[in-house]
This record gives sequence, structure tokens and C-alpha cells, in this order.
Amino acid sequence: NAGVTQTPKFRILKIGQSMTLQCTQDMNHNYMYWYRQDPGMGLKLIYYSVGAGITDKGEVPNGYNVSRSTTEDFPLRLELAAPSQTSVYFCASSYYSPGQPSHEQYFGPGTRLTVT
Amino acid sequence: AQSVTQLGSHVSVSEGALVLLRCNYSSSVPPYLFWYVQYPNQGLQLLLKYTSAATLVKGINGFEAEFKKSETSFHLTKPSAHMSDAAEYFCAVSDRATGTASKLTFGTGTRLQVTL
Repeated sequence: NAGVTQTPKFRILKIGQSMTLQCTQDMNHNYMYWYRQDPGMGLKLIYYSVGAGITDKGEVPNGYNVSRSTTEDFPLRLELAAPSQTSVYFCASSYYSPGQPSHEQYFGPGTRLTVT
Repeated sequence: AQSVTQLGSHVSVSEGALVLLRCNYSSSVPPYLFWYVQYPNQGLQLLLKYTSAATLVKGINGFEAEFKKSETSFHLTKPSAHMSDAAEYFCAVSDRATGTASKLTFGTGTRLQVTL
């Protein structure tokens, strides 16, 4: 049981380049999330998904796109990389059911992205 | 809107001393509250969560937290610090008012240093 896996672990992009951060979970969780973590700022929610085919914006969605074609995968796309997107990105997943509304989130190990 | 304030971005304690990490929340409705720990270069791991079953919540690694509604606080404590507790700790709140209580708002984190 690998949990939440993210690839790559590290990446350096030039301004204007694009890339996709991969996220996969093997826990059959219905909810998935993307966060970015900047020093002294905590984690900010970028996008989330409540199931395959359903995504919604979080607190800081500008400059990013997501898709959820399967339960397991939730890739994050950066179309035109900017220095402001230099950050550590975390993917997370959780299982929600009406009888367990306080579900905790399980996090991947993160992707450290630098845009220069 | 919900928010979390963590007092003290850095806390240093001696090995064997009491650990106290402070968290105050703001929420218009009774919240779900969480403490996560992040070890260097890793993702976040759940320490404990409050879901209204009991105000004193016990978590992993000897940590516990007490929900105090009158003080809007959820401080994290451990009676005796160990070197392995050195990490960054995040308090988070989830608003029960949202349909599925799925989105977390994180504090800015407290880095715990444990010295000999």
C-alpha cells in the first residue's frame, strides 16, 4: 500500500515552460487535493476534487489547471511557469462518507519546484 | 470564514521538557480541528483530530490537545520532549458548515527544536 505518491520529487523550470505534476493514490479515496507550501505561509489549497470528473478551485488556483479522469490520479498542470510558482507542492487524498464527515487527509511526499 | 493562528513560528525546548504549541481558531460554527506534523523533506502526517467526541484528544507519539471552546483554542502538548519530535507542526481547521467539511485551512506552522 503506497498511499499517495508524487512525481517528480524535484524540478527546475524556466519561465514560460509548462509541466505536469503527477499524483496517484491507491487507497480508493474519493477526495483529492493540491496544496502549495511557501516558507512561513502554511499550506494553501490550489484545487480539489470530490470524485472522478469533478474539480473545483481552492484558495490560489490562478496559473494552474487540474483534471480527474480516474479515482486514483489527480495531475496538476502549470501552463506558463512564473517565478511566483516556485514552491513545494503537496497532493493529498481523503475518504468522505456522510457518516464520517471529519475525514483526515493523507499527504504525499511533495514536489519541490523552482522556476527561474 | 475560518482561520487558524499559531503563536510562535519557532519553539525551542530541552529534551525531557514540556512541549506546548499554541493554536487559536476562528469559525462561525463548531469546527473540526487537526494537528499535523511535517518532518524535514516529507509530507504532512496526522497527529490527532478533534471531532467533538471528547475535548481532550490523544494522538500519536505521546501528543495530546485540548479543545477549549471558551478560549477558541486547541493547543498541542507533550509532557516530555524527545529529540525525534523536532519537526514543523501545523494546526488546521475544517468548517462543519460546508457540505462535506472537506477543505482545511492551515496555520502558518510552528517549528519545534529540541535541544540536549
